[in-house]
Amino acid sequence: GPKVLQIPSHQIIDMGQMVTLNCDPVSNHLYFYWYKQILGQQMEFLVNFYNGKVMEKSKLFKDQFSVERPDGSYFTLKIQPTALEDSAVYFCASSPGQGLGAETLYFGSGTRLTVL
Amino acid sequence: GDSVTQTEGLVTLTEGLPVMLNCTYQSTYSPFLFWYVQHLNEAPKLLLKSFTDNKRPEHQGFHATLHKSSSSFHLQKSSAQLSDSALYYCASFAYNTNTGKLTFGDGTVLTVKP
Repeated sequence: GPKVLQIPSHQIIDMGQMVTLNCDPVSNHLYFYWYKQILGQQMEFLVNFYNGKVMEKSKLFKDQFSVERPDGSYFTLKIQPTALEDSAVYFCASSPGQGLGAETLYFGSGTRLTVL
Repeated sequence: GDSVTQTEGLVTLTEGLPVMLNCTYQSTYSPFLFWYVQHLNEAPKLLLKSFTDNKRPEHQGFHATLHKSSSSFHLQKSSAQLSDSALYYCASFAYNTNTGKLTFGDGTVLTVKP
């Protein structure tokens, strides 16, 4: 089936540093998402992104977070500066356009971020 | 906002017995309902999807019927296999004007023993 790739699979950084998580979404998909999963807890929505813009974000999407997809390349989540509570697994997802199954999200395998 | 409730956090079964994982939802709009399955260190993968009332999609021996009258989408399988051991998420997706998001339940860890 369609594949979403996330790079790297693990990242360890010191508190206060900047981190960028990379996602290679399914080709021709138009909607992009980030979700956060703290160990043992549920998948929580962070943000969705369409046509170069953030469409909706949750309370978890703090001011230190930003997303972009420059020139159709990777869809990225940047955290600057990082905090201890940012330690989690971050999942990227993408979906087709409306009318083409936009409600069906395809997920990557996640990036495990550890903030020390 | 939307919410999804999975009442069982952990379900342990013996191989060959039937599986039923509960899911109910609340939504302002008429949502799509999904079951995703996640194995350790892997991506959540779509198992089933439904939008139509009383329709029963099936995949890999699993099925679920969307009942809008009771806002439920329970996952069932007649005979559990060892390979079914995984984390199962029920989720809903509702459009809000021109965008939407997937809202997950807490997940149910299914463990199938020999």
